[in-house]
Amino acid sequence: DTAVSQTPKYLVTQMGNDKSIKCEQNLGHDTMYWYKQDSKKFLKIMFSYNNKELIINETVPNRFSPKSPDKAHLNLHINSLELGDSAVYFCASSQVGVNTEAFFGQGTRLTVV
Amino acid sequence: SQQGEEDPQALSIQEGENATMNCSYKTSINNLQWYRQNSGRGLVHLILIRSNEREKHSGRLRVTLDTSKKSSSLLITASRAADTASYFCATDASGSNYQLIWGAGTKLIIKP
Repeated sequence: DTAVSQTPKYLVTQMGNDKSIKCEQNLGHDTMYWYKQDSKKFLKIMFSYNNKELIINETVPNRFSPKSPDKAHLNLHINSLELGDSAVYFCASSQVGVNTEAFFGQGTRLTVV
Repeated sequence: SQQGEEDPQALSIQEGENATMNCSYKTSINNLQWYRQNSGRGLVHLILIRSNEREKHSGRLRVTLDTSKKSSSLLITASRAADTASYFCATDASGSNYQLIWGAGTKLIIKP
């Protein structure tokens, strides 16, 4: 059973389009995250979300928005895609608290052309 | 912002040798974690060391933490080809709402 699953694995789309990436976790965790990994492999947190609080990295453009229909899902919506949005996006989850590890999905490689 | 910095950025060694990677960070932490990322895959948690611990072992992995120097090292003993991956350190900084702050990673290549 996959603990954190995200779809699609690959996404190729044109500039200006709107797209979504889905993420689901079956670990019962209360916090989910979205990360962006650029071509240099830097991991940058975009959002962290639990049922109480959404924490947004202030450097993330407001074209990106997380949507959580329930505790096990955190989808990422991206409006008006730009070339610079091309990257690998990872969903992750953890149990909030000190000294807990994060579990990652396999990533979605987004290519904007 | 990036807090952790891994050193070296890339490391290539022969199978069977030991591999050592270092991580430095800037602020007080609750813990420091090491993750592995195989090519095209998500990150996998390897080991967590708490701020009050100095050394931790897990199989062929040995992690040390020096909070006075704000640094950690990951040692992989008797390396195998399957250890080829990128290794990241992440810090759970005090007062960070438990958000992990990541370094840029060390790319490890094990030559058969």
